Amino acid sequence: DGGITQSPKYLFRKEGQNVTLSCEQNLNHDAMYWYRQDPGQGLRLIYYSQIVNDFQKGDIAEGYSVSREKKESFPLTVTSAQKNPTAFYLCASSTDRLLTDTQYFGPGTRLTVL
Amino acid sequence: AQSVTQPDIHITVSEGASLELRCNYSYGATPYLFWYVQSPGQGLQLLLKYFSGDTLVQGIKGFEAEFKRSQSSFNLRKPSVHWSDAAEYFCAVGATDSNYQLIWGAGTKLIIKP
Repeated sequence: DGGITQSPKYLFRKEGQNVTLSCEQNLNHDAMYWYRQDPGQGLRLIYYSQIVNDFQKGDIAEGYSVSREKKESFPLTVTSAQKNPTAFYLCASSTDRLLTDTQYFGPGTRLTVL
Repeated sequence: AQSVTQPDIHITVSEGASLELRCNYSYGATPYLFWYVQSPGQGLQLLLKYFSGDTLVQGIKGFEAEFKRSQSSFNLRKPSVHWSDAAEYFCAVGATDSNYQLIWGAGTKLIIKP
């Protein structure tokens, strides 16, 4: 089955630690995205990538980093510089980065900072 | 700047009753409009989208939405809800002058009474 997988489902981190969230897709999509979701708020874009080895900052990139070494993978690192990292993180992909392209979402990773 | 407003944080509907979820947007030109649904602890799934043409759009799971330019609205409707429709619903707007990003509403949580 084609889709997007995110791991782990739940992640706990101590303050001051970096942590990496995994996102893999087998849909052969060029574009991939990372969103952050907080209660009572819409999704906010952290980073996006239109093609391998290229990525751009979204609205809330500070304290986060990404890489896109392979078409199917777009890991997100939450660094210790992120002041309030506890949130639900969603990865998505689309055929291209046109607005007409549907974004398909993974099941999400819930990160809790202890 | 573009914005999306979903005025209702929660809506409670009896099973079998009709449903309307409101979405208002702020954008000068004709936007690209989307409705997504999120089950608890899961990713988002596209219900329907509007780009142009017929202003009444049919989606999956028996949902429809109507684009009303004069009211800057894109309300989601369903004639008869089922208990499985309990979820959170997000409206999103895409605009070419927002760097092709989606702007998300804060979501409306739908509660179904038996």
